Formats: sequence, structure tokens, C-alpha cells
Amino acid sequence: NAGVMQNPRHLVRRRGQEARLRCSPMKGHSHVYWYRQLPEEGLKFMVYLQKENIIDESGMPKERFSAEFPKEGPSILRIQQVVRGDSAAYFCASSPETGGVTEAFFGQGTRLTVV
Amino acid sequence: GESVGLHLPTLSVQEGDNSIINCAYSNSASDYFIWYKQESGKGPQFIIDIRSNMDKRQGQRVTVLLNKTVKHLSLQIAATQPGDSAVYFCAENSGGGADGLTFGKGTHLIIQP
Repeated sequence: NAGVMQNPRHLVRRRGQEARLRCSPMKGHSHVYWYRQLPEEGLKFMVYLQKENIIDESGMPKERFSAEFPKEGPSILRIQQVVRGDSAAYFCASSPETGGVTEAFFGQGTRLTVV
Repeated sequence: GESVGLHLPTLSVQEGDNSIINCAYSNSASDYFIWYKQESGKGPQFIIDIRSNMDKRQGQRVTVLLNKTVKHLSLQIAATQPGDSAVYFCAENSGGGADGLTFGKGTHLIIQP
């Protein structure tokens, strides 16, 4: 039973490019949470999705960031026109439908570096 | 406002000693708390949780204490081992599990041989 899978593990983008981060939840999990972690900081909540629905995006920057969790396939966090300040580790967590965040498991993260 | 870019608090203990890691949470409406362990280059790993109707919960070698009066949470690790070296975060949830967690800044635990 594979855990939460994130890819790529490391991503380097030049300023102005687009970054796409993928998260495949654990088998049977239908809820996905995305978090951002700056160096020496705790994780900051970004967005909470269920299949085909965004439930809470209160932590997402209003511009350049978007997230989706389609019926089929992984959840995608998309950052357009990346800037140096987007450099961070991005983690996703998944949980079963009945568990909520209290039963969430985290992936290994994607480390985005903007050069 | 938030402080950004400061070094994490560090706790250095001798192998075999007990460790106590503290956390102050912000939302008096939070009803669920989790301690996570994050090793270098990895995602947070669940250690132990506690609900607001409890003051104490014990796991294997770990104990979490909750003081709602002063909004304080602590993690006690008994007989620390080299594998306990990591950054430890507390997290709170005020949405009954229906929304995201709010994480603290973390404490870096270093085990001295």
C-alpha cells in the first residue's frame, strides 16, 4: 500500500516559468491538502480539495496559484510565472472521506527552486 | 505579525534523557492537536494526537500534555534515541477535521551521544 506520492521530488524553474506539482493520494483517499513550507518555518495551509471540488482555498495566493483534483489522476498544484519567493517545499497530505485532516498522511514533498 | 527567516528553536539532549518540547497555540477554538516529526528531506510524520476534552495522552515513549487555560501543548519523549533527531511541529485544527491544520514553527531536537 503505497503512501502519498509526490512528484517531482525536486523542481528547478526559471523566473517566469510555470511549475506543476503532482500529488497522488493514498489508495482509497479522496481528500487532498496542500501545504507550503519555507526554510526554517512550519507548514502553511494552502488548499483543501475533494475529487473535482475545491473545499477551502483560503491559504492560496489569489494570483498565479491554482489547484485541482480531477476525477481521475493526481491532484495538481500549478504555479504560473514563478518568482524567487515561490521557492519552498510543497507538501500534500491525503485522508479518507470519513477521516478529514485528523487522519491525513503526508507525502515527501516537492522542493521547488526558482532561479 | 509573523517572524520570517528566524532559526528554529533548538533543544539539545543527551541520548537516554527525556525531552520536553513545548508549543503555544493560537486559537482557543481549536479542538484537536497533533504532534508531527519531520526528518530532513521528508514530509511530516504523525506522532500523537489529542482532543481538547483531554489533558494527557500517552503513546509509545511519547506523552502529549494539553493545557487549555494557557493554550499550551507539550510533547515528552522518554529515553531519547539518535533516531529521534528531527524537527517537531505541533499543529492545531479548529474545524472538526474538516479543514486544514495550522502548524507552529517547530523545534529542532538534537540528540547528543
